[in-house]
Amino acid sequence: SQQGEEDPQALSIQEGENATMNCSYKTSINNLQWYRQNSGRGLVHLILIRSNEREKHSGRLRVTLDTSKKSSSLLITASRAADTASYFCATDAPNSGYALNFGKGTSLLVTP
Amino acid sequence: DSGVTQTPKHLITATGQRVTLRCSPRSGDLSVYWYQQSLDQGLQFLIQYYNGEERAKGNILERFSAQQFPDLHSELNLSSLELGDSALYFCASSVGQGGNEQYFGPGTRLTVT
Repeated sequence: SQQGEEDPQALSIQEGENATMNCSYKTSINNLQWYRQNSGRGLVHLILIRSNEREKHSGRLRVTLDTSKKSSSLLITASRAADTASYFCATDAPNSGYALNFGKGTSLLVTP
Repeated sequence: DSGVTQTPKHLITATGQRVTLRCSPRSGDLSVYWYQQSLDQGLQFLIQYYNGEERAKGNILERFSAQQFPDLHSELNLSSLELGDSALYFCASSVGQGGNEQYFGPGTRLTVT
């Protein structure tokens, strides 16, 4: 079953703009991770944020986590055409062996 | 390159057949996870092994089985294949029993005809 739900399902922006994707989940988590997938290829790990953290940065990526609202957001600043991909949030919990529960993803298109 | 390798890249087979997918985790990682990605179900967790032992089970069909060998590589066996088993199968590895980053392989695309 899907734990996370990303919003929006699809996002189209121009190069240089910021892209924000949101993720909501249903049950208590240990960690939340964001992944990128280019068309039918492997998933690339972007960032992991633990349940006791509120914000994390990595290069042009900024992730926030609000456990009270069971939600997270991924901000990509100054987007590039190479950022075009699907972005997934995934949560894990100790009672499920830390297996990742993925959302359906946000499809991001960055046009030059 | 995540350091996780999967073979084969593509597999085309007929209904009723059996296939084996192979995964080698990143050097030093003891956990291996298997996931299935299909258009209708999205990314679904199948099973996890840690240091040779089954650690967690997800939405894995009884026709599917897996194991992790002493050298830590893992195999996912799919039998009595049905059209609906056509999907991308990913293996991921992590350093501990869980709660850390999982690094994904490039996947095996299975097509059942």
